[in-house]
Amino acid sequence: GAGVSQTPSNKVTEKGKYVELRCDPISGHTALYWYRQSLGQGPEFLIYFQGTGAADDSGLPNDRFFAVRPEGSVSTLKIQRTERGDSAVYLCASSPQGRVDTDTQYFGPGTRLTVL
Amino acid sequence: AQSVAQPEDQVNVAEGNPLTVKCTYSVSGNPYLFWYVQYPNRGLQFLLKYITGDNLVKGSYGFEAEFNKSQTSFHLKKPSALVSDSALYFCAVRDIKAAGNKLTFGGGTRVLVKP
Repeated sequence: GAGVSQTPSNKVTEKGKYVELRCDPISGHTALYWYRQSLGQGPEFLIYFQGTGAADDSGLPNDRFFAVRPEGSVSTLKIQRTERGDSAVYLCASSPQGRVDTDTQYFGPGTRLTVL
Repeated sequence: AQSVAQPEDQVNVAEGNPLTVKCTYSVSGNPYLFWYVQYPNRGLQFLLKYITGDNLVKGSYGFEAEFNKSQTSFHLKKPSALVSDSALYFCAVRDIKAAGNKLTFGGGTRVLVKP
């Protein structure tokens, strides 16, 4: 079946601009996660949705970052007033139920964001 | 707080030889442990996980990992490496006592298997 998909695969923007990154989870998965992977590092957690609600947004670095999942499926990560330090690969993952004891998170290919 | 350490930035091994990628973790409670692999320009692919039960976990593509609670380790192993195993490997941990459902990843280990 189809895996997690993310669009666009690459995004180049200028400092100060607004960007939106989209994630389509695996069909039927109720839990959705966003991570950020900087060059040479492991992914870092940003936010976790269970259904439509953000169950844990403790990883969002500041209020320029915001994410939504209005219908409990597709999610959009929004970054306002982008800064060069926001340049990274943004990874989305989904899991069937969000159960911490059994769920496996399945990752998409990522969106590479470059802020000039 | 939960954390993961992958002490080796890179591991070089000859094809056909055993492969080991090291991982140690720190959690306040009991851990859930995961290994993922990342190929160039692709997302993370799940290899295996330890939740409970047998300390030796078998996963995809012939990989296995052994959970050692006393050493707080979860090393990834493969008895006979292939050139196609060359990739970036990430260990991740989830503390069952922590709120939320986030994974904490190590910095990654690059594996290079030479023919």
